[in-house]
Amino acid sequence: QSVLTQPPSVSGAPGQTVTISCTGSRSDIGPDYDVHWYQQLPGTAPKLVIYANNIRPSGVPDRFSGSKSGTSASLAISGLQAEDEADYYCQTYDSGVRVFGGGTKLTVL
Amino acid sequence: EVRLLVSGGDLVQPGGSLRLSCEASGFTFNIFAMTWVRQAPGKGLEWVSTIIGSGTTYYADSVKGRFTISRDISKSTLYLQMNILTAEDTAVYYCAKEGIWNYDMDSWGQGTLVTVSS
Repeated sequence: QSVLTQPPSVSGAPGQTVTISCTGSRSDIGPDYDVHWYQQLPGTAPKLVIYANNIRPSGVPDRFSGSKSGTSASLAISGLQAEDEADYYCQTYDSGVRVFGGGTKLTVL
Repeated sequence: EVRLLVSGGDLVQPGGSLRLSCEASGFTFNIFAMTWVRQAPGKGLEWVSTIIGSGTTYYADSVKGRFTISRDISKSTLYLQMNILTAEDTAVYYCAKEGIWNYDMDSWGQGTLVTVSS
C-alpha cells in the first residue's frame, strides 16, 4: 500500500510560521486525488483542519493553510500559538484505500 | 450537528472476537461513506476500513479477512466485527464520517479502546 512521508517533528516559536510536508508517490498524491490534514490534540480524536488540499472547514482559523504541488503537499500554520501544539496527519486516497502519513509532532517553543 | 458515539471496546484475549459500534446522528447516514481508523498506543493513525454509500466495502491489508465493516441504516449505526484478534490490533478505534466528494473525514467519534492481551 501507498506511503505518505511526513517529518516526525517540527517546532516554532509563538508568532512564527511552520510548514509540515507530506510526500507521496504518483499513485496517491497525484493530480486526481486531494490531500487532507488533521490536527490531533493530546488525548482527543483527530479534527479536520484542511480538506481538498487548501480548503478550511468552518471554524478553523485562517492561520491554517494548505497547498499541493506534484506529489507533495504542505500544511502551513502562521502566527503560531501555544494551542497549536499537536500531532498533524496528512491523508489521501488510492483506489479505495485511504492512506495516512506517519504524523508530525508540532512543538511550540 | 453531526454526532458519532463509539462503543464496544474491551479487553479481549488473543484469537478472540469483538464488535464495535458507532451510532450516528445529525446527517443522512446512508448517503455518506463511513470509516474506521485506529491508533495503537503512541503511534500514528491507521486506516482500517470504509463502507461507502452503495454498501461497497474496503479494508486495509492488515485486517482483510479478519474484520468486517457493516451498517444498519435503520439504526444509523456502523459496526466493525473483529475476529482472530492479535496484540497488534490493540488500539483506540475511531469511526469517522467522510465528506461527500473528497474522501476526507470531516467528523470523528470519540474512540474506544480495544486491548488484546492474555
